[in-house]
Order: sequence, then structure tokens, then C-alpha cells
Amino acid sequence: AQSVAQPEDQVNVAEGNPLTVKCTYSVSGNPYLFWYVQYPNRGLQFLLKYITGDNLVKGSYGFEAEFNKSQTSFHLKKPSALVSDSALYFCAVGRGTSGTYKYIFGTGTRLKVLA
Amino acid sequence: EAQVTQNPRYLITVTGKKLTVTCSQNMNHEYMSWYRQDPGLGLRQIYYSMNVEVTDKGDVPEGYKVSRKEKRNFPLILESPSPNQTSLYFCASSLSRDRGHEQYFGPGTRLTVT
Repeated sequence: AQSVAQPEDQVNVAEGNPLTVKCTYSVSGNPYLFWYVQYPNRGLQFLLKYITGDNLVKGSYGFEAEFNKSQTSFHLKKPSALVSDSALYFCAVGRGTSGTYKYIFGTGTRLKVLA
Repeated sequence: EAQVTQNPRYLITVTGKKLTVTCSQNMNHEYMSWYRQDPGLGLRQIYYSMNVEVTDKGDVPEGYKVSRKEKRNFPLILESPSPNQTSLYFCASSLSRDRGHEQYFGPGTRLTVT
């Protein structure tokens, strides 16, 4: 079965420290991978995506993610966390064949950056 | 401003009373989708549409209907709501059917069915 896993419900990190939010996937074919962020009482906002090419993808607000095909992972990273990064983060994958496609989202990881 | 709008933002209703949640986008996007967000389950796709008059089921379509008569609008219909449909609903759109395009999300509709 195709799936996306975010193994940590919550990640706590001190402000200024590097952060990692983990995501692994299981899909057939080449995956299209995404990270979204959700702030309280808001819809999801796109952060970055991997389609093809360089395994290190850079996105909004200083975030980046590393695609690792052998480990089927797409971890979100940031070198120096800010308190304002505290939010709910979702990993997602686009799946499907020609003519149809759907999205699978992970269960979300709540990031808390402590001052 | 490019955006996806949903109405209403909050809705409390009773079991069995038909309701419609509207979704509209002003970006001329081909692909639109509905999701529900539940604690511990993340977002699950209900229905999606790849263009006008083309819709298909997502992973949790039971109890929902959709239509896509115009490119900009994609309403979600609950013919006979039940308490297990209490959830936070999001509409989203993306540029085209190419699954490499990111989605733009509406602000959400919090539905309570009693």
C-alpha cells in the first residue's frame, strides 16, 4: 500500500539550533514529494517540493529538504530555528498514473521552537 | 490577490440536514480537491477534479458529493451529514493535472454535525 509516514508527532528544538522533521514514503514509481506548513487557524502553505534533479531542495523561509531514494525519505531541515517556525508540518506525495492522480499526506508533525 | 476561498468558515448542523460548502479559486487552476483533517490522521483526500466535468474519488469519498460545472468552483455536498463527518475541511487547487504542481489551500471550514 502507498503511504507517507511522519514518525514524530512533535519535535522540540531550541531557537537557533538546527531542526529536522522526518518523512518517509512508500509509493510506486517516481515520487513527487512536498512539504506544507500549517499555522494556527490557517490553511496549509506550500514550503518546497522535489520533482527530479538535485536531491537537496531549497524552499521558503530558509527551509530545505533532502531526498534520499535508497532510504525513501524526504526530511525537512533548517540550519537555525526561529520561534516563528513553530507550526504543524505535513509531508505529502503525489501519486497516480496518466489521467488520474491523488495526494497522500502524512499525519503531521508539530514543531515547537523554544526561546 | 490569488486565493482559494471557502464558505462558510464555521458550520454547526444536525444529522441529516443537507449542506453545501463552497470553494472558489481565482487562479484559473485546472486541478481542485477537497480534504478533511482529523487529529492523528492528517489530511485525507475526499474528491478531486482535474478539470470541468471531470471528478474522481479520493481515499474517503463516502457520504460526500462534488461537482465541477465551472473551472473556478468546486462545491462539496453532504446530502445527509452524520456526526462522523465532523471535521475540518480544506479545499485546494493547483495549476494543472501535472502532479508536480503544488497546491494552494483555502482557509478551512470547521463543520460540526450533532
